[in-house]
Amino acid sequence: DARVTQTPRHKVTEMGQEVTMRCQPILGHNTVFWYRQTMMQGLELLAYFRNRAPLDDSGMPKDRFSAEMPDATLATLKIQPSEPRDSAVYFCASGWGTPNSPLHFGNGTRLTVT
Amino acid sequence: QQQVKQSPQSLIVQKGGISIINCAYENTAFDYFPWYQQFPGKGPALLIAIRPDVSEKKEGRFTISFNKSAKQFSLHIMDSQPGDSATYFCAASMNYGGATNKLIFGTGTLLAVQP
Repeated sequence: DARVTQTPRHKVTEMGQEVTMRCQPILGHNTVFWYRQTMMQGLELLAYFRNRAPLDDSGMPKDRFSAEMPDATLATLKIQPSEPRDSAVYFCASGWGTPNSPLHFGNGTRLTVT
Repeated sequence: QQQVKQSPQSLIVQKGGISIINCAYENTAFDYFPWYQQFPGKGPALLIAIRPDVSEKKEGRFTISFNKSAKQFSLHIMDSQPGDSATYFCAASMNYGGATNKLIFGTGTLLAVQP
């Protein structure tokens, strides 16, 4: 049963530290999305990639967040420096990128910044 | 114009009852409307989806009703069970910039089905 794998599942860090979250999309999927979930804002789209190229990262705070796909099996989301307001659950999702095809979500990284 | 509005925020239903969650959108370019189900500690998972060329889609106890003129769609869960207790998200997407499955999500509905 193919699934999106995210690591770590939980991360607690102090304000100002760098945080890197990793995602392994489902093999063969050519679109990858990063979402952030909070109680107040729900699921917010941060960035997405197609064939490893970034298509849109307008939802991401540019000064501290960065997203990359070093290769087809790895997507990363980095926060530097982290702030308490970044505390949230970060989800990675992948899909085929064809019309109406579903997104498959990982189980998220729960980030707590103290 | 990109928003999807969802209500109610939370819902309590008795076992065997009908759960109804509503969503509304503004952007008429949206052409795909999925519902996702999320259990605690898990990522959202696709439950059922509809395109705007049909008014209703049913899969087991789950039905989507779609009203294109009103720009509204809803999820009906018949014979609700305690195992259906979860957070439900409506979403919408359109063919955009080569990524045709970019989803815009509603704010979620926390459903509790009481035994």
